[in-house]
Amino acid sequence: QQQVKQSPQSLIVQKGGISIINCAYENTAFDYFPWYQQFPGKGPALLIAIRPDVSEKKEGRFTISFNKSAKQFSLHIMDSQPGDSATYFCAASIGTGGFKTIFGAGTRLFVKA
Amino acid sequence: GAGVSQSPSNKVTEKGKDVELRCDPISGHTALYWYRQSLGQGLEFLIYFQGNSAPDKSGLPSDRFSAERTGGSVSTLTIQRTQQEDSAVYLCASSFSGDYGYTFGSGTRLTVV
Repeated sequence: QQQVKQSPQSLIVQKGGISIINCAYENTAFDYFPWYQQFPGKGPALLIAIRPDVSEKKEGRFTISFNKSAKQFSLHIMDSQPGDSATYFCAASIGTGGFKTIFGAGTRLFVKA
Repeated sequence: GAGVSQSPSNKVTEKGKDVELRCDPISGHTALYWYRQSLGQGLEFLIYFQGNSAPDKSGLPSDRFSAERTGGSVSTLTIQRTQQEDSAVYLCASSFSGDYGYTFGSGTRLTVV
């Protein structure tokens, strides 16, 4: 019940295309859903996040869509660029006196120039 | 410091030896987390410290793993009697209390030979 399931494992997109990564969760106690971006040799970096009272959040070319009833959320990268090539992790956080975050398995995105 | 600092960046150790991994969080961040990332895998939660509260150790895989946080700042993750399956990147992250988003360090790549 603590798992966050992420798909696809890998994704190849042409430059200028839309990259879509999907995640699903079971525990309705999760109350914060971040996405992290990780480049090789670096730690993950917070990209964008959403709370369950909002259905969509957009920051530049990155948009999170959130479906509370389906317990699913997704990351859309518009106008994908080669510099977006990285591993993306969805996650879900729960307050337990602090904020414990469970991560998905990751999606390796490659944007072809 | 400006970011989360981890040392060493790489560690090669012989099976059966003990290792200590260090994390210097961002100044003022009260929450500190340790995660493990195996090659091509997602992030596995290990342990979480929040202020002076008892740590959440629910993710530690065995009693060979332990962690402490001194003075609410620097943390050390210790792995005793290392095994080959302990080989992974160990990531540390920190955050302000009440802030769900984490700032990760670049990790320590541990190789057990």
